[in-house]
Amino acid sequence: GAGVSQSPSNKVTEKGKDVELRCDPISGHTALYWYRQSLGQGLEFLIYFQGNSAPDKSGLPSDRFSAERTGGSVSTLTIQRTQQEDSAVYLCASSAFWGNSPLHFGNGTRLTVT
Amino acid sequence: AQKVTQAQTEISVVEKEDVTLDCVYETRDTTYYLFWYKQPPSGELVFLIRRNSFDEQNEISGRYSWNFQKSTSSFNFTITASQVVDSAVYFCALSGVSNAGNMLTFGGGTRLMVKP
Repeated sequence: GAGVSQSPSNKVTEKGKDVELRCDPISGHTALYWYRQSLGQGLEFLIYFQGNSAPDKSGLPSDRFSAERTGGSVSTLTIQRTQQEDSAVYLCASSAFWGNSPLHFGNGTRLTVT
Repeated sequence: AQKVTQAQTEISVVEKEDVTLDCVYETRDTTYYLFWYKQPPSGELVFLIRRNSFDEQNEISGRYSWNFQKSTSSFNFTITASQVVDSAVYFCALSGVSNAGNMLTFGGGTRLMVKP
């Protein structure tokens, strides 16, 4: 597609439920990133995928968070047993090359945990 | 460790005023890249510029200009003759060779409000 696509755009869930957020990167981009933006805060790195290499999970805040990327394309971020502090906008980005090419971001998924 | 500081959390100007957004960074990498992104109310982060650590030339693109000074570890962003459409949150970001891939470290952002 023309840009990074994320779905859903908004998600409201009850505390304790699991949620899945989807990211469809720009075609041909080998690197994919998940960031989290809490209200009034900056962007917090969560996880990074590059090609078929093992992902860099160093930013995941707890073991309730996981992500996978199937076939080197679409990625799913899963949050299990959601907590109210998980409420944030989850942003996905992709980039073309290893060498510090700009990241292209999607519009994000706004997650609200009630 | 890398760090990006945007000391101005919010700036309000009147249309046509010039405004400078400050960005100060910390890194131990000798090779690194600096970025500015714009986040309008729609929420999507829009890439504005990337500079590498070996290129200290200032850059101008229309009403936008960037001043990179390694001596002060700063990468400031100036909007000339601001317009209401410039209202957004602006993020400065850093990526170094010690980062995984292109992983960016972001500053906290500066919310710019341009009033008519």
